[in-house]
Amino acid sequence: DAGVIQSPRHEVTEMGQEVTLRCKPISGHNSLFWYRQTMMRGLELLIYFNNNVPIDDSGMPEDRFSAKMPNASFSTLKIQPSEPRDSAVYFCASRTLDRGGEKLFFGSGTQLSVL
Amino acid sequence: QKEVEQNSGPLSVPEGAIASLNCTYSDRGSQSFFWYRQYSGKSPELIMSIYSNGDKEDGRFTAQLNKASQYVSLLIRDSQPSDSATYLCAVRYGNKLVFGAGTILRVKS
Repeated sequence: DAGVIQSPRHEVTEMGQEVTLRCKPISGHNSLFWYRQTMMRGLELLIYFNNNVPIDDSGMPEDRFSAKMPNASFSTLKIQPSEPRDSAVYFCASRTLDRGGEKLFFGSGTQLSVL
Repeated sequence: QKEVEQNSGPLSVPEGAIASLNCTYSDRGSQSFFWYRQYSGKSPELIMSIYSNGDKEDGRFTAQLNKASQYVSLLIRDSQPSDSATYLCAVRYGNKLVFGAGTILRVKS
């Protein structure tokens, strides 16, 4: 398996522009998470899907952020309009649950820079 | 506010020594605890999980959990330069996996 696939790897945009981040989870994983990582705030959970349904979006910072999961193999995180304080690394992760416990598999992340 | 606290470090240890990383958490009801390792510029990867009080060993790694003290630790024996990374403690609070800020570990050869 190729693991969790995120695109793009890097995104540089200007303030006010729309940004769309994409994620393909590992096949068979029912849960998908979007995290944001910054030096100041560490790794923060933004939103969590289970079986394509958003379960908890309390970490989404503002209405400018939205996330969708139209099917089991694809999710997007959209920021509109983007602001410089949105600059961070955005990680998508999918999860397994078995007798050994739970394990998150992270994608390579998207480095977002908003100028 | 569900919190996970870690000393940011850096923690510097010589090659071959034991590295001890610590984490405290705020909710006594938490049942699931994890250690993730993150190399610079890379994504986090799971190295240990622990669900019950006591020690859990996996190779050179030992996770220790003390629920009464709300304390989780990770011991790395025979530390290697390749262990140099940021170690993230994570605690499950209901639906959410909350991460600490991480401890930077540097193993000097």
